[in-house]
Amino acid sequence: GAGVSQSPRYKVAKRGQDVALRCDPISGHVSLFWYQQALGQGPEFLTYFQNEAQLDKSGLPSDRFFAERPEGSVSTLKIQRTQQEDSAVYLCASSSRGRHNQPQHFGDGTRLSIL
Amino acid sequence: RKEVEQDPGPFNVPEGATVAFNCTYSNSASQSFFWYRQDCRKEPKLLMSVYSSGNEDGRFTAQLNRASQYISLLIRDSKLSDSATYLCVVIPSGTYKYIFGTGTRLKVLA
Repeated sequence: GAGVSQSPRYKVAKRGQDVALRCDPISGHVSLFWYQQALGQGPEFLTYFQNEAQLDKSGLPSDRFFAERPEGSVSTLKIQRTQQEDSAVYLCASSSRGRHNQPQHFGDGTRLSIL
Repeated sequence: RKEVEQDPGPFNVPEGATVAFNCTYSNSASQSFFWYRQDCRKEPKLLMSVYSSGNEDGRFTAQLNRASQYISLLIRDSKLSDSATYLCVVIPSGTYKYIFGTGTRLKVLA
C-alpha cells in the first residue's frame, strides 16, 4: 500500500542555495505535518496543514523556511539561502483527520546536507 | 526544562529481559500520547497509543500517569529485533503537533 512518500531521499546543496523538498501524503489524508530531525534528537515540529490551509507554522526556524500545500495533497517545503545549520533529516507525516488522537504516519524523510 | 524528557540511554539488555522506559512531560493539559519506534536511518513508526487506563499489545505495555505527568513503556521477553530508539510523543491541548522526546536507545544483546 502507498505510504507517505518524500523526495528526494538525499539532497546535498552548497551554502546559499535554495532547496525544495516534496511530500506526497497518504491519499485522502487531511492533515500534513513537517518535522526537522537533527542527529541524535527527536523530530521537532515545523508546520501543519489541514487540507490546503496552513494552520500552524510556529516551528519554522526563520523566514528562510516556507511550506505550501496548494491543492490540499502534495506539499513542498522550501528553504532559501541554505545554511549549514539547516543540515538535518526533514520528515513529513500525514494523518486521516484533524483530530489530536489520530496517529501520524511518517515518510522516509529527506536527508539534507549543506556544504 | 524540555517539554518532553526521556533518558537517552543506551539501555543494553540481554535477550529475554524485561525493560521499562519512562517519559515525563511538562504540560499538564496534554491530551494524547504515543510511543513510536525508530530504527537507525529510518522513519518513526507507530508502536502504540497510550490510554489513561493503560494498554497492552503482545509483549508491550504502555501506561499513562496524569497525576505525575509521565508515560511508560514496558517490553517483556526482549528480542534482538526490539533494538531501536523509542520515541515518546505528547500532543499538547489545543494543537495537533507532536512534541517528541529525544528518544531512548535500546540494544538487546544475544
